[in-house]
Amino acid sequence: DGGITQSPKYLFRKEGQNVTLSCEQNLNHDAMYWYRQDPGQGLRLIYYSQIVNDFQKGDIAEGYSVSREKKESFPLTVTSAQKNPTAFYLCASSAGLAVLYEQFFGPGTRLTVL
Amino acid sequence: QQPVQSPQAVILREGEDAVINCSSSKALYSVHWYRQKHGEAPVFLMILLKGGEQKGHEKISASFNEKKQQSSLYLTASQLSYSGTYFCGTGEGGATNKLIFGTGTLLAVQP
Repeated sequence: DGGITQSPKYLFRKEGQNVTLSCEQNLNHDAMYWYRQDPGQGLRLIYYSQIVNDFQKGDIAEGYSVSREKKESFPLTVTSAQKNPTAFYLCASSAGLAVLYEQFFGPGTRLTVL
Repeated sequence: QQPVQSPQAVILREGEDAVINCSSSKALYSVHWYRQKHGEAPVFLMILLKGGEQKGHEKISASFNEKKQQSSLYLTASQLSYSGTYFCGTGEGGATNKLIFGTGTLLAVQP
């Protein structure tokens, strides 16, 4: 079955450590996205990529970094510069432009920084 | 700037109807609607495009008023399975290929 996988489902880290969240899709989609979800704030865009080896900052990119070396993979690194990293992180993909195509979401990773 | 959704929360009995509104301060090219169950990923419901017609999906339909930069989601004869948080995502088009999501509307359907 085609879909998006994120791992791990739960992640605990100590303050000051960098952590990388995995996102893989086998839908052959060109575009991929990372969102952060906090209670009462909906989904906020961190980074997005429309094609391999290219990505753009979203609305809350500070303290995060990404890479897009393969079409199917879009890992997100939460760095120590992110002031409040505890949140639910969702990865998504779409077949084309975000404004025209539905986004398929992965199951999410819940990150807790202690 | 995030689109504003109203109401923030609504409680229904099975069989009742509900309307969820999404309003933006910017000109829109598209509006997307998603539903998210607690602890799960959002699931796509429908897209409405500028110049398009009202969309329908079983007993869930939506409209898009481009001039007012507003969209409404209509849930008819609600079922228990409709419970969840509903998000609208607005697309401005042009060079900005991204959606801006609203803060969500929590819908609880009770027996």
